Amino acid sequence: NAGVTQTPKFRVLKTGQSMTLLCAQDMNHEYMYWYRQDPGMGLRLIHYSVGEGTTAKGEVPDGYNVSRLKKQNFLLGLESAAPSQTSVYFCASTPGLELPSSYEQYFGPGTRLTVT
Amino acid sequence: GENVEQHPSTLSVQEGDSAVIKCTYSDSASNYFPWYKQELGKRPQLIIDIRSNVGEKKDQRIAVTLNKTAKHFSLHITETQPEDSAVYFCHPRDMRFGAGTRLTVKP
Repeated sequence: NAGVTQTPKFRVLKTGQSMTLLCAQDMNHEYMYWYRQDPGMGLRLIHYSVGEGTTAKGEVPDGYNVSRLKKQNFLLGLESAAPSQTSVYFCASTPGLELPSSYEQYFGPGTRLTVT
Repeated sequence: GENVEQHPSTLSVQEGDSAVIKCTYSDSASNYFPWYKQELGKRPQLIIDIRSNVGEKKDQRIAVTLNKTAKHFSLHITETQPEDSAVYFCHPRDMRFGAGTRLTVKP
């Protein structure tokens, strides 16, 4: 199993450009999450999904959109990038079922995004 | 609103010493209390977790203790080693991540 993968690993954008970050998991997890991590700071939740076709806002959703058309994929979009969105973006997933290990978050390797 | 506080924000110990990090939360309904470790440039990974029906859990050199009445749980690392140097995050279920504790273990 590859676990949670993210594409791309690095990206540089100019202000106003758009892009989509792809997260994929092969563990049949129900829940998926997008976080951003700024230097020296913790993880802040952008959006999350509790199943295929569902999305919900997290702590810092402004400037981002998401889609979960397939259970294994969770896409994060930036329509008009701003320098304040320079960050490392992590995707994560959890089984989402009432099992002993169902709440552990499995993280992808991260995408380092710079907006100039 | 929900509140998660983690202390200290930085911790420096000598190799072989113990380290303790505390996480205080506000939502009494939370029932799952994990700790994640993030090494420099890497992804966070779960190192230990506890559920609200137990007070303590150990896994070799690490342990987690829970005081549900006081709404806090702590990570304990004994006999610290340089490879324990990392940032540690708490994350009570359905709440935000703690701000993190940067642990440095000096050889």
